[in-house]
Amino acid sequence: DIVMTQTPLSLSVTPGQPASISCKSSQSLLHSNGKTYLYWYLQKPGQSPQLLIYEVSGRFSGVPDRFSGSGSGTDFTLKISRVEAEDVGVYYCMQGLHLPTTFGQGTKVEIK
Amino acid sequence: EVQLVESGGGLVQPGRSLRLSCAASGFTFDDYAMHWVRQAPGKGLEWVSGISWNSGRIGYADSVKGRFTISRDNTKNFLYLQMNSLRAEDTALYFCTKDDYYDSSGYYSVWGQGTLVTVSS
Repeated sequence: DIVMTQTPLSLSVTPGQPASISCKSSQSLLHSNGKTYLYWYLQKPGQSPQLLIYEVSGRFSGVPDRFSGSGSGTDFTLKISRVEAEDVGVYYCMQGLHLPTTFGQGTKVEIK
Repeated sequence: EVQLVESGGGLVQPGRSLRLSCAASGFTFDDYAMHWVRQAPGKGLEWVSGISWNSGRIGYADSVKGRFTISRDNTKNFLYLQMNSLRAEDTALYFCTKDDYYDSSGYYSVWGQGTLVTVSS
């Protein structure tokens, strides 16, 4: 199984400041079709998870442009350019290249 | 409106069975793969099982293989999870999710609100 490792596991951010989460996979997530099957999800308190970023850097419909994804192969990053109060929750990276689909441990983001 | 509504959760004794259902609406159900993802209390997300649009490809997490069976009824727009030989470690909130492709990709664009399964004597 592909292991997804996130760092840090928790983050306390001042509103308006940037934040960054790293995700590393135990093998490349690049498919022969050229797509990289790396996704980012946010689970806000008391809610179901929601898709933020698809295929490394695609911003899902309705996701603010302060969220951006980057990376390739086995190393990926989610960045929030200016954190807002509504961004609190747990962020998960996930790989969809091979079954079983696997998630990172999650990074809890809170506001200072 | 695209919607997924899970049902069937509850309190069950270890070793017993339970069947979860997920009612889909607002999209062409038989065009997309579907999945079950669970979350134990206070823990992270764990993919449980997935099924392609025509049930031709099915996958399970090792933790449930041989005990859980995923299925779908494209005539009724329902996804199911038959859970047998339940264990305490299966206690979790079970989410139904819609993939945006006909086969598993990880692009889970829609999630249900979840149904809680508690396995305890």
